[in-house]
Amino acid sequence: ELKVEQNPLFLSMQEGKNYTIYCNYSTTSDRLYWYRQDPGKSLESLFVLLSNGAVKQEGRLMASLDTKARLSTLHITAAVHDLSATYFCAVDIGNQFYFGTGTSLTVIP
Amino acid sequence: DAMVIQNPRYQVTQFGKPVTLSCSQTLNHNVMYWYQQKSSQAPKLLFHYYDKDFNNEADTPDNFQSRRPNTSFCFLDIRSPGLGDAAMYLCATSREGAAFYGYTFGSGTRLTVV
Repeated sequence: ELKVEQNPLFLSMQEGKNYTIYCNYSTTSDRLYWYRQDPGKSLESLFVLLSNGAVKQEGRLMASLDTKARLSTLHITAAVHDLSATYFCAVDIGNQFYFGTGTSLTVIP
Repeated sequence: DAMVIQNPRYQVTQFGKPVTLSCSQTLNHNVMYWYQQKSSQAPKLLFHYYDKDFNNEADTPDNFQSRRPNTSFCFLDIRSPGLGDAAMYLCATSREGAAFYGYTFGSGTRLTVV
């Protein structure tokens, strides 16, 4: 059974701090995606990672992929309140996305 | 702008009364997906169309059906909604061989069952 697990599930952090969200998956895939979801809204694409060692950065967020370890990370640098949202990773298996459990991030002033 | 449009944004239906949610796309993507997302949970794939080929997830209840009359439109029919079917329903599209784009999601339809 495919499992896509994120850690932590809930994250409360102060503005200006750094933190990393982890996404582990249980089957072979070299395509992983990160999405952001604001309350009551749909999913917004953040990063597309298509190979081992891929690293993408956008503003205060940086995502990486290690396909051998079946691990992706989403690193937050100097968090600001606007980053408060739920973050999902998703693994592409045969053109189907399987979402992680989600990480609910709250950035406290 | 090319996009994925879901209607309505909010739908209230009565327990047991059939309801249809719609999704349209102007991206000309050949793959369309329906996801169910309950509160504080990850989106769960219900089924997807690969061109006209319908693919049902093994654990999708029979109460859920789908139609794709053409490339642009896809419908989700819930034959007899129960209270447990209250959720956000997300439509997504992708293009075969274009994994680097990921999925494009619609804005979702929030279904309430009363």
